[in-house]
Amino acid sequence: AQSVSQHNHHVILSEAASLELGCNYSYGGTVNLFWYVQYPGQHLQLLLKYFSGDPLVKGIKGFEAEFIKSKFSFNLRKPSVQWSDTAEYFCAVNEPGSSYKLIFGSGTRLLVRP
Amino acid sequence: KAGVTQTPRYLIKTRGQQVTLSCSPISGHRSVSWYQQTPGQGLQFLFEYFSETQRNKGNFPGRFSGRQFSNSRSEMNVSTLELGDSALYLCASSYGASNTEAFFGQGTRLTVV
Repeated sequence: AQSVSQHNHHVILSEAASLELGCNYSYGGTVNLFWYVQYPGQHLQLLLKYFSGDPLVKGIKGFEAEFIKSKFSFNLRKPSVQWSDTAEYFCAVNEPGSSYKLIFGSGTRLLVRP
Repeated sequence: KAGVTQTPRYLIKTRGQQVTLSCSPISGHRSVSWYQQTPGQGLQFLFEYFSETQRNKGNFPGRFSGRQFSNSRSEMNVSTLELGDSALYLCASSYGASNTEAFFGQGTRLTVV
């Protein structure tokens, strides 16, 4: 079965530091990849998505992610974090097939200190 | 346009009772999927409906069920509630094709006492 691994469960950074959150998935075929963010008390919001094409995708709020097929990875990056980026980040994969089913990683809690 | 609406936002139920949660998807979206979010298990897929048909089901007991109406609104039901069913239940809507994005509602926080 498809699985998604996020290796960093908690990350603490100071403002202006660079961020990279790892995400690896297990499926070897075509996948659709997502990063979602959940700010405290808010609903899951889509940061960015990859379906096909350029493996470097840009999302909202200055986030980007790179799809590396050979490594089954889709790491999230941001060059300079802000206090407002404090949130939980989830990597997700859409399992190919005839239905819509997201498989999520366990999430990474990011705390940005001012 | 309006986002995904889930009602109620909060529920407290007693063990053994049943509960029904509601989700109204974004207009035009025909796929509604449900997820359970807990601190221990994270986000887990419950089931997905498309045009009133369940297309996929996660690894949950039969006490968890759902349905979708002709207007794409969906309900999920949990019968014979257990303490372990306490969770945030999230609904997501999409156009239904795998290469589309899903939009999530605020969730229903269910507490079983």
